[in-house]
Amino acid sequence: SYVLTQPPSVSVAPGKTARITCGGNNIGSKSVHWYQQKPGQAPVLVIYYDSDRPSGIPERFSGSNSGNTATLTISRVEAGDEADYYCQVWDSSSDHREVFGGGTKLTVL
Amino acid sequence: EVQLVESGGGLVQPGGSLRLSCAASGFTFSSYWMSWVRQAPGKGLEWVANIKQDGSEKYYVDSVKGRFTISRDNAKNSLYLQMNSLRAEDTAVYYCARDIAAAGTRNFDYWGQGTLVTVSS
Repeated sequence: SYVLTQPPSVSVAPGKTARITCGGNNIGSKSVHWYQQKPGQAPVLVIYYDSDRPSGIPERFSGSNSGNTATLTISRVEAGDEADYYCQVWDSSSDHREVFGGGTKLTVL
Repeated sequence: EVQLVESGGGLVQPGGSLRLSCAASGFTFSSYWMSWVRQAPGKGLEWVANIKQDGSEKYYVDSVKGRFTISRDNAKNSLYLQMNSLRAEDTAVYYCARDIAAAGTRNFDYWGQGTLVTVSS
């Protein structure tokens, strides 16, 4: 089955740029989606189709995907961005399985 | 406004059964794939199962195959998860999510608030 690898944690100072990676075999050939989850809350879709933002998501959130790595970039990080972030792809070769990365805890210093 | 409201969680003994429900509103339920996604305490997200608009296709993560059954009632705008032979490792918050299927990909654009299932003696 397809495996997505994320760093367990990323730390960034307020106002700086955070980059959260998601590694997978030839992930650049798949569409990657990103979710933000704050403590005690349901996940929220923040990036879909590699780099599109749902309505209501700030432009500070962006995404890219190439080769074996997809990246979620958060510019001008704010305290309210502190959360867990998960990448997700659809593995059509494996019984229609929807696969999540292990998640990355973003800490705003 | 899209709303997904789960119910049916609770404490159950190992080997027991539980049926989760998800009431959908604010969109044409019968037009969308739907999924269940779970999250064990302190752990990450795990997709559990999904179902096609008319219920004709269903898929499951390997760990629940043969024990869990996903179903839907489009007339009642409701999604269900029948969970049998429950194990301690099934303990998690279970989320209902709208599953957006597009060419070559899927994602979850709306989620419920979740219902907690605890399997313990």
